[in-house]
Amino acid sequence: DQQVKQNSPSLSVQEGRISILNCDYTNSMFDYFLWYKKYPAEGPTFLISISSIKDKNEDGRFTVFLNKSAKHLSLHIVPSQPGDSAVYFCAASASSNTGKLIFGQGTTLQVKP
Amino acid sequence: SQTIHQWPATLVQPVGSPLSLECTVEGTSNPNLYWYRQAAGRGLQLLFYSVGIGQISSEVPQNLSASRPQDRQFILSSKKLLLSDSGFYLCAWNGGVNQPQHFGDGTRLSIL
Repeated sequence: DQQVKQNSPSLSVQEGRISILNCDYTNSMFDYFLWYKKYPAEGPTFLISISSIKDKNEDGRFTVFLNKSAKHLSLHIVPSQPGDSAVYFCAASASSNTGKLIFGQGTTLQVKP
Repeated sequence: SQTIHQWPATLVQPVGSPLSLECTVEGTSNPNLYWYRQAAGRGLQLLFYSVGIGQISSEVPQNLSASRPQDRQFILSSKKLLLSDSGFYLCAWNGGVNQPQHFGDGTRLSIL
């Protein structure tokens, strides 16, 4: 039972353009959502999060959008840079369940110079 | 500031041998602690989590066990490794509900 899904395994974007990574979830109890970035042979690095009481959170070049009715969130990176090339994981948690995270499968982003 | 240490970085073990991976957190007290495994080409699967000393919750039935002998120490163990235990093991911590988890650099475990 995949509660958090990233349906695009990979994404290729030109440097300077927008990268949009998508994530869908099925559990309506999820109330906290996060995006992580991961390089090979390293642990994931936290990027940005959003609570279910909001529909948008912005931090520099990164913006996360949450559409609760569609159970969908997205990460926008503007402008994309070659150093953004990595695997991006979305994750979700329910505060009623100790806050443990459920991760998607990841999307590999390649930003071409 | 808080830091998380995980070791070793890589480990090659024969089938049937025991395992002990250690994770420690500095700069915080009473963290929630987590062990994940990432199989090749897959997402992160939560194996164990702990909200306090001696408190361990297991997420999936498996050949592994976890222990938390001290507040900021989390250990992943096995008595006899299987080939299917190969993977990238990650330790993480956070301060509680609705707070980001922060990860160590991981251990690449290869079983021969």
